[in-house]
Amino acid sequence: EVQLVESGGGLVQPGGSLRLSCAASGFSFSSYEMNWVRQAPGKGLEWVSHISSSGSTIYYTDSVKGRFTISRDNAKNSLYLQMNSLRAEDTAVYYCAKGAFDSWGQGTLVTVSS
Amino acid sequence: QSVLTQPPSASGTPGQRVTISCSGSNSNIGSNTVNWYQRLPGTAPKLLIYSHNQRPSGVPDRFSGSKSGTSASLAISGLQSEDEADYYCAAWDDSLNGWVFGGGTKLTVL
Repeated sequence: EVQLVESGGGLVQPGGSLRLSCAASGFSFSSYEMNWVRQAPGKGLEWVSHISSSGSTIYYTDSVKGRFTISRDNAKNSLYLQMNSLRAEDTAVYYCAKGAFDSWGQGTLVTVSS
Repeated sequence: QSVLTQPPSASGTPGQRVTISCSGSNSNIGSNTVNWYQRLPGTAPKLLIYSHNQRPSGVPDRFSGSKSGTSASLAISGLQSEDEADYYCAAWDDSLNGWVFGGGTKLTVL
């Protein structure tokens, strides 16, 4: 059974940083592209970032370019999202998702507020 | 403003057939496959339809998808109370080099 477990969320002040992690199990992690998706309070789903299976190809949505960095460690079956220069509008539940979002974690809440 | 356009709400009575539309452009729906996701209250999203009209194992055949040009649709037949959820469409966008989602449609079973 595919399992994705996010961690690392919390309350952070504007301009601060957080590192999200996603622990994967139940599938061959190194064979799949991975994504981060977020949902702000009262809003819809928003794709944040994509990383290929090898980590060689990376994409970001415009609003996080230059501030967020996606990475993965295939030896540890883990996906990461380093978030810097956080803004109030980054407040959301962040989900990691496998492939074309065929499996999702339960999400981790990031709140950016002073 | 989402790149893919969905109606914010839809409704139907048990047993009815409802459809949810998703409108995009040549750079997303027009040239890539469309997926649909169901978000039940308090749970993570779940893949419902992929590649326009394919169902993952375990998804009832009451759910079906279609695509025509730059638009796609999700149809739910034999509506049940447990179908009350938010539904999202998504596709890769070649111009943006990223995934785009619809704004979501809240389905109410009356």
